[in-house]
Amino acid sequence: ETGVTQSPTHLIKTRGQQVTLRCSSQSGHNTVSWYQQALGQGPQFIFQYYREEENGRGNFPPRFSGLQFPNYSSELNVNALELDDSALYLCASSPNRGGPTGELFFGEGSRLTVL
Amino acid sequence: AQSVAQPEDQVNVAEGNPLTVKCTYSVSGNPYLFWYVQYPNRGLQFLLKYITGDNLVKGSYGFEAEFNKSQTSFHLKKPSALVSDSALYFCAVRENAGNNRKLIWGLGTSLAVNP
Repeated sequence: ETGVTQSPTHLIKTRGQQVTLRCSSQSGHNTVSWYQQALGQGPQFIFQYYREEENGRGNFPPRFSGLQFPNYSSELNVNALELDDSALYLCASSPNRGGPTGELFFGEGSRLTVL
Repeated sequence: AQSVAQPEDQVNVAEGNPLTVKCTYSVSGNPYLFWYVQYPNRGLQFLLKYITGDNLVKGSYGFEAEFNKSQTSFHLKKPSALVSDSALYFCAVRENAGNNRKLIWGLGTSLAVNP
């Protein structure tokens, strides 16, 4: 158990809809990273939040957005859903933008299916 | 550019035999290297990391990894495989540029341990 919790665990949406995924970070961690993992692929970095500000972004369009709250929990929002957005979305927390080593602590993920 | 390669999509071993899952990397500066394991429909679990020091790193569940600087490799090993080790294994390297210290991931290797 990493202490990182994500919700919902599974959800189904249709094309064009919007989705919000939530993540509670491990106690004491002020950094949250979001990853997209398509079936059979490795995790792809979406963005990272550090102390409520975006602190790095991968190659994802602007319809992927996020928030981090004062308690360091985070949301990932995806607008105008496309079929290719179907994936496991992973949240990872860490201390201070990755801490001294960059080790990440992952939640169990949210499985999004877009029909 | 920093990158990680896992040359084998799948590794099959018999229970009780030694296993090796291969990883090579390309990074500027000193590498911070990680292995994570993912069971079906689960998040990523940390196994071990190399930061500095001994080239042989010991981690969770009896796994170890050998850092080889000249070959730029960080292969995961276990002396005696268990059926329960069957899972997806990811190698990652920490990006050494910028402040977000994100991890660069390999595509994963599926390990199947046969009884």
